[in-house]
This record gives sequence, C-alpha cells and structure tokens, in this order.
Amino acid sequence: DSGVTQTPKHLITATGQRVTLRCSPRSGDLSVYWYQQSLDQGLQFLIQYYNGEERAKGNILERFSAQQFPDLHSELNLSSLELGDSALYFCASSPLAGGLRTDTQYFGPGTRLTVL
Amino acid sequence: AQKITQTQPGMFVQEKEAVTLDCTYDTSDPSYGLFWYKQPSSGEMIFLIYQGSYDQQNATEGRYSLNFQKARKSANLVISASQLGDSAMYFCAMRRQETSGSRLTFGEGTQLTVNP
Repeated sequence: DSGVTQTPKHLITATGQRVTLRCSPRSGDLSVYWYQQSLDQGLQFLIQYYNGEERAKGNILERFSAQQFPDLHSELNLSSLELGDSALYFCASSPLAGGLRTDTQYFGPGTRLTVL
Repeated sequence: AQKITQTQPGMFVQEKEAVTLDCTYDTSDPSYGLFWYKQPSSGEMIFLIYQGSYDQQNATEGRYSLNFQKARKSANLVISASQLGDSAMYFCAMRRQETSGSRLTFGEGTQLTVNP
C-alpha cells in the first residue's frame, strides 16, 4: 500500500458525460500528479500540482481539468467523454515538486474508466 | 524531448534465476532520474528502484539492482533469484526536471513471466 488513495476504483459511464476522479496523496506529500494509461498510448503524464498550484502540464486534453485543494487532495475532471478516454487513471504523489532523490512518485491504485 | 525505450515486450525466466530487463533513454538534460516500477496484473504501480544521473554507484534495493551505464544511456534492471510473484509488467521511467515541476516519461514496458 503506497498510501495514495483514489476513488472510485471503477467507473462506467456513457459518451458525452462528465466524471470526477479523486485522489488523496500520502501524508506529508505536497505534489500530486495525474497519469493516463491506455493500450494505445501507454502511460502518459497529464498534469502536476504542488501545494495547490499547477507546476507541470503534459498533453492533457482541453476537456480535462484538474485542481488541488487546500487539504492537498486533488480531483481530475473529465468532460464530454469519448470512447477513447477509456483508460486507467493514476494519481501519484511526492513530497516536493520534483528533482531530489527523495522525491519519488508513489502511485495510487488507479481508477479504471470505461466509456460506453 | 526525452524518450525511454524498452525493447523486450516479453521476457521469461525460471524461478530462482536472475533476469535483466533492458532500458535505454535519450535526453539532453545533464540532471535526470531513472526509475523502475512494477505493475502486477492487479494494476497498481509499485516503485522499485531509483538512480540519479550523478550517482557514482549503481542503485540496489534488495533483490533489485540497476545496471547504470551513463555513456551508453542505459539503465537495466536486474532481478536476482526470481520469484513467482515477480511476474508482472515492468516500466522504466525518466524524471524530467522542469522549471517548477517534474514529470515521469515511461517506456512501453516489459512483461516478465517467472516459470516454476
């Protein structure tokens, strides 16, 4: 158990809908990262937040947005869902913003999203 | 741009034997970090080992060691005394340090099967 929690574990929804994925980082970690794992694109970085501020951004679609709240939990919002958004979404956390040896990213169990 | 290449889609090893999983990387950054993660069939991502670009010695963590050859830009994972529970997908990743944040770039993974 990494200490990172994600809810829900599974999510099944229809095209065009909107969903929210939730992540709670390990105790003491200030950074939260979101990754998408799909069969065709592999593991892709989406976005990083550090202490409430966006710090790094990957190829995150405009239909997707994220935020980190004062209690450091984070939410990833996916809207106007398409079949291709079906994937395993991981949240990871680390103590700082990245770069130090001790700033390893620990992953949550993931949320499996299925868009029908 | 950073790139991670794992050329072995699948590997097989006998229980109790050692196995090497290959990883090569491409970056122009002088400072970077290399990681290996394990993803069992249950789906979670488990951190295994870290190597910094300035580390003089190869990293070791229990049965895991990292064969780091900086000039060749390779960071191979060595698992000694394989166990049935080592059967999983293994991902090599590089941490890119940005101005204010960081991200992991992953390879495509190697599926390891340990035979009894």
